[in-house]
Amino acid sequence: EAGVAQSPRYKIIEKRQSVAFWCNPISGHATLYWYQQILGQGPKLLIQFQNNGVVDDSQLPKDRFSAERLKGVDSTLKIQPAKLEDSAVYLCASSLRLAGSYEQYFGPGTRLTVT
Amino acid sequence: EDQVTQSPEALRLQEGESSSLNCSYTVSGLRGLFWYRQDPGKGPEFLFTLYSAGEEKEKERLKATLTKKESFLHITAPKPEDSATYLCAVQAAEGGGNKLTFGTGTQLKVEL
Repeated sequence: EAGVAQSPRYKIIEKRQSVAFWCNPISGHATLYWYQQILGQGPKLLIQFQNNGVVDDSQLPKDRFSAERLKGVDSTLKIQPAKLEDSAVYLCASSLRLAGSYEQYFGPGTRLTVT
Repeated sequence: EDQVTQSPEALRLQEGESSSLNCSYTVSGLRGLFWYRQDPGKGPEFLFTLYSAGEEKEKERLKATLTKKESFLHITAPKPEDSATYLCAVQAAEGGGNKLTFGTGTQLKVEL
């Protein structure tokens, strides 16, 4: 079974530029998550989708971050404009369903460096 | 607010030297406690889910246990390939989402 796919793996941009990340979850997984992991810290949830609807985006900086999952499968996360403090690894994860306690499976992440 | 504290921050072991990693948590009703392994440059890899105090799970040289306030990840006779960062996360029973609140991890190095 294929895992969670993410691209690109690495991205370097200057502050105030925009960037987009792509995620393809495990086939059949209805719930998709985006996490931000700053160096030396654990992942922090940014946004959670159930199919193509948003379940939780309380920790998403909405003035600069946006995310969508239009057809309930792939998702994109965008940052515009980027700040230095956005340098981090952006992890996408998916789980089978929303209800109950289902393990989340993570992709390899996109390492973003903002200069 | 849910909180997870892991200790120690870093641990260096000799091959075969058993030890334990600690995860202390506060959560408004625990739905599940998760252990993940993260290798450099990779995403977290799922290891275990524990649901209630007294529960134990094992996988090869790893054994996870759970009490009402903390979880331990016991590593028996570790090998160099067990070197990684081990992350603990909690999922609260309240609220509609499945948010995981992570600790900062324990960086384990196993030497020959």
